[in-house]
Amino acid sequence: AQSVTQLGSHVSVSEGALVLLRCNYSSSVPPYLFWYVQYPNQGLQLLLKYTSAATLVKGINGFEAEFKKSETSFHLTKPSAHMSDAAEYFCAWGYKYIFGTGTRLKVLA
Amino acid sequence: DTAVSQTPKYLVTQMGNDKSIKCEQNLGHDTMYWYKQDSKKFLKIMFSYNNKELIINETVPNRFSPKSPDKAHLNLHINSLELGDSAVYFCASSQEPSVGTDTQYFGPGTRLTVL
Repeated sequence: AQSVTQLGSHVSVSEGALVLLRCNYSSSVPPYLFWYVQYPNQGLQLLLKYTSAATLVKGINGFEAEFKKSETSFHLTKPSAHMSDAAEYFCAWGYKYIFGTGTRLKVLA
Repeated sequence: DTAVSQTPKYLVTQMGNDKSIKCEQNLGHDTMYWYKQDSKKFLKIMFSYNNKELIINETVPNRFSPKSPDKAHLNLHINSLELGDSAVYFCASSQEPSVGTDTQYFGPGTRLTVL
């Protein structure tokens, strides 16, 4: 069965440190992969999406993700964490509207 | 201007009651969705409508009935509420028909608590 797996339900980083949130997909069809962010008590909003145009995708707020077919991964990174990045992050597979279980990012001062 | 709006934001009710959640989008999108997010933040699609026509119905109990009076509105009616229905319900919309490749725009959510 197709799925999306996010490793680490909670990730803590210091302000200014690298953010790495992991997402692996399991799919036999070309993936349309998304990263969404959910701030407390809000709906999800798009960070970035991969649609096979380029393997390195840049999104909003300095986030980017690299699609690696050989590793079936679509990890989300940001070079320098900011306090305002604290939120829940979801990786999603578009074809079947399957969302990962989410990773809560905590940014430490 | 809110792109996708939901009412009410909070809903507290007793088991066995019937309730509705309303959703409206002003983005001119053709497709709308309902998602359920449980207490562990797991997000699962329930329904998808394209131009008032049901496209996806993901094994949701028939106590849940979506209604789309026009393509800008997708309401969710729930009969005989159960404790397990307690969750946050999100409405979303996207431009393209339901092929899952288009960005979805989410509403702020409705937190339903069944006592």
